[in-house]
Amino acid sequence: RKEVEQDPGPFNVPEGATVAFNCTYSNSASQSFFWYRQDCRKEPKLLMSVYSSGNEDGRFTAQLNRASQYISLLIRDSKLSDSATYLCVVNKVGANNLFFGTGTRLTVIP
Amino acid sequence: EAGVAQSPRYKIIEKRQSVAFWCNPISGHATLYWYQQILGQGPKLLIQFQNNGVVDDSQLPKDRFSAERLKGVDSTLKIQPAKLEDSAVYLCASSLGPGSNNEQFFGPGTRLTVL
Repeated sequence: RKEVEQDPGPFNVPEGATVAFNCTYSNSASQSFFWYRQDCRKEPKLLMSVYSSGNEDGRFTAQLNRASQYISLLIRDSKLSDSATYLCVVNKVGANNLFFGTGTRLTVIP
Repeated sequence: EAGVAQSPRYKIIEKRQSVAFWCNPISGHATLYWYQQILGQGPKLLIQFQNNGVVDDSQLPKDRFSAERLKGVDSTLKIQPAKLEDSAVYLCASSLGPGSNNEQFFGPGTRLTVL
C-alpha cells in the first residue's frame, strides 16, 4: 500500500463552485500533514499545513481525520487561478522528511 | 530573498550517457533535498542532506545515482549511466532544518529527457 493515496482526478468545476479533495495515508503514526500546490510545469509550493482541529485560510479549509487516516482540502468559491495540482503530503515516520501523493488535478472552468 | 536555484533547466541525453544537475539552496538553509518527479506522479525523495552529511538516501538508486554537498551549501546530483526510465523532473528543495515543521522551498527543477 502506498504511503499516501489521492484520486488523481481531473476535477473540472465551474467558477464559484465548492470542491473537495480527500487523501488517505497508511501509517497511523504520521504526525505532520500538508497540502502543496503545483502549477503546470512549475515547482510545488506549500499551500497550508493541516492541524488536528482543522484549519482555514480564506477560501481553503483543511481537515484531518486520524481515526480514518484521511486528510481533506475544501475550496470554496473556486477561482480560475485555483487551477493546479494539489499534492497531499505526510511526514515519513522515523525520518525528518516527507511523502508526497500523486496529486489531484483541478481545472476551474469559466 | 533569492529562491532555490537549479541548472540546467532542461537536458536531453541518450541512454547510457552521464548527466549532472546543480542546486544552490536558499542562503542559511541547512537541509537540502533532491526529488525525482516522473510525469503524473508526486515528487519522490532521492536524498536528503543536513549540512554536508547525508541524512536519508534510502530511495537513491546507488548503482547509478550519486549526490554530494561537499561544503554544505551547493549540491550536485549525478546519473551515470542514464536509463530511459530516468526521464523526469529533478527538483531540489531546501529548508532551515530537517524537521517536517520546516517548510520546504523548491527550485524550478531540471527536466531530463533520456532518449
